[in-house]
Amino acid sequence: GENVEQHPSTLSVQEGDSAVIKCTYSDSASNYFPWYKQELGKRPQLIIDIRSNVGEKKDQRIAVTLNKTAKHFSLHITETQPEDSAVYFCAAKGWYGGSQGNLIFGKGTKLSVKP
Amino acid sequence: DTAVSQTPKYLVTQMGNDKSIKCEQNLGHDTMYWYKQDSKKFLKIMFSYNNKELIINETVPNRFSPKSPDKAHLNLHINSLELGDSAVYFCASSFTTGNTEAFFGQGTRLTVV
Repeated sequence: GENVEQHPSTLSVQEGDSAVIKCTYSDSASNYFPWYKQELGKRPQLIIDIRSNVGEKKDQRIAVTLNKTAKHFSLHITETQPEDSAVYFCAAKGWYGGSQGNLIFGKGTKLSVKP
Repeated sequence: DTAVSQTPKYLVTQMGNDKSIKCEQNLGHDTMYWYKQDSKKFLKIMFSYNNKELIINETVPNRFSPKSPDKAHLNLHINSLELGDSAVYFCASSFTTGNTEAFFGQGTRLTVV
C-alpha cells in the first residue's frame, strides 16, 4: 500500500520568513495530494491540494509543487505569520485492489512562527 | 449547520467497557471514513465506507465495528476497550472515493482508564 514520508517533523521560523515542508510517496499510481492544517485541539482542514496532471499550484501565500517522476511534493508558505503556527499534514490518495483508496497521511510537521 | 459532526466530543471510560461514537454528515457525500490520531498526532485510516458499504478495513482489531445505517451516518462501536485505544478519533467524508477533499469532524477524544 501507499506510504508517505514527511520532513521535517518540527520547523521553527521567524515571522516573514518562508517555510518549506517536503513529502515523498511510494505508490506511483497515486494521483491526488492534499495538504491539511491542524491547529491545536481542532480538526484537520484542507489548505491546498494538487492533482497529478499539474506540477505546481498557488493560492496567495501557499504553493504546492509536485514531481511525479521523483514521487515527491512540497508545501511552500511565504511571508509566514504567527497564525500559520500549526501542524501540517501531507497526504496521498493510494490505490487498493485496483480502485481509488484512502488518503494516507504523513506524520505531520509542527510549524512554529515566532513574532 | 456543521458539515461533519461527531458525538460525543469527549469520552472517558474504564478498560473493558464498550462504547460508541456517532458521526453524521450533511454534505450529501457518498464516502465516509474513520481515522485514529494518536498522542504523536499521527493520523491513521481505520475504515472507509462508500454508500453504506465497507470498502477498506485497514487491519483494525475486530473489537472495532463500524456501522453505516445510511450514507449520511457512520458510527464506530468499540468493544472491550484497552488503554491503547486512547486517542482522538476523527470521522471524515468526501464526495466520492476519488480525488476529492475529505472534510473532518471535530474529533472525539477517547480516554481509557
